[in-house]
Amino acid sequence: EDQVTQSPEALRLQEGESSSLNCSYTVSGLRGLFWYRQDPGKGPEFLFTLYSAGEEKEKERLKATLTKKESFLHITAPKPEDSATYLCAVFAGGSYIPTFGRGTSLIVHP
Amino acid sequence: ETGVTQTPRHLVMGMTNKKSLKCEQHLGHNAMYWYKQSAKKPLELMFVYNFKEQTENNSVPSRFSPECPNSSHLFLHLHTLQPEDSALYLCASSQVMASYNEQFFGPGTRLTVL
Repeated sequence: EDQVTQSPEALRLQEGESSSLNCSYTVSGLRGLFWYRQDPGKGPEFLFTLYSAGEEKEKERLKATLTKKESFLHITAPKPEDSATYLCAVFAGGSYIPTFGRGTSLIVHP
Repeated sequence: ETGVTQTPRHLVMGMTNKKSLKCEQHLGHNAMYWYKQSAKKPLELMFVYNFKEQTENNSVPSRFSPECPNSSHLFLHLHTLQPEDSALYLCASSQVMASYNEQFFGPGTRLTVL
């Protein structure tokens, strides 16, 4: 059973149409939550780290937030170049190995 | 070169071949990782090296054999693979394993086993 669940699995947006991606986790003792962006045929690219509930990080059109049960990646006025798969990963308990979600595939149409 | 590099980027091999994947990180990190990425599945951790010592082997079949000669280089030796081993193999590095730091990934090797 997945401990890290990302939704939706796929999302299609029109350029300028803001939306949010969700990463929910059922782990105890969250040590850190990470967001990555992955373009087709490439490795994941690090975006944000969040360590505690209430924390927020921003980068250009992206804003990541964290609660005790989930994280959101808000995309404001997306552009076609924001099209990618967005991955979420968590460190929990005493493990130094992150658990990844399956990702959300985002397509932004011009 | 900057970041994490991987070679080759694409590899096609038969089930009886022997090949190796190479990873090099230029970030001064001390932990390196091999992941397997298959369609519709989360990233699967295969091996972890911390300061050149293997610390994790995630029940990976013996047809995959890792090697870490120093903190900057990581290899994955492949032999007698199966078609289901076809996937994107990603190398990553982080500052050290015993921390909750982000990992930096290479571009991956797309492996096809015929």
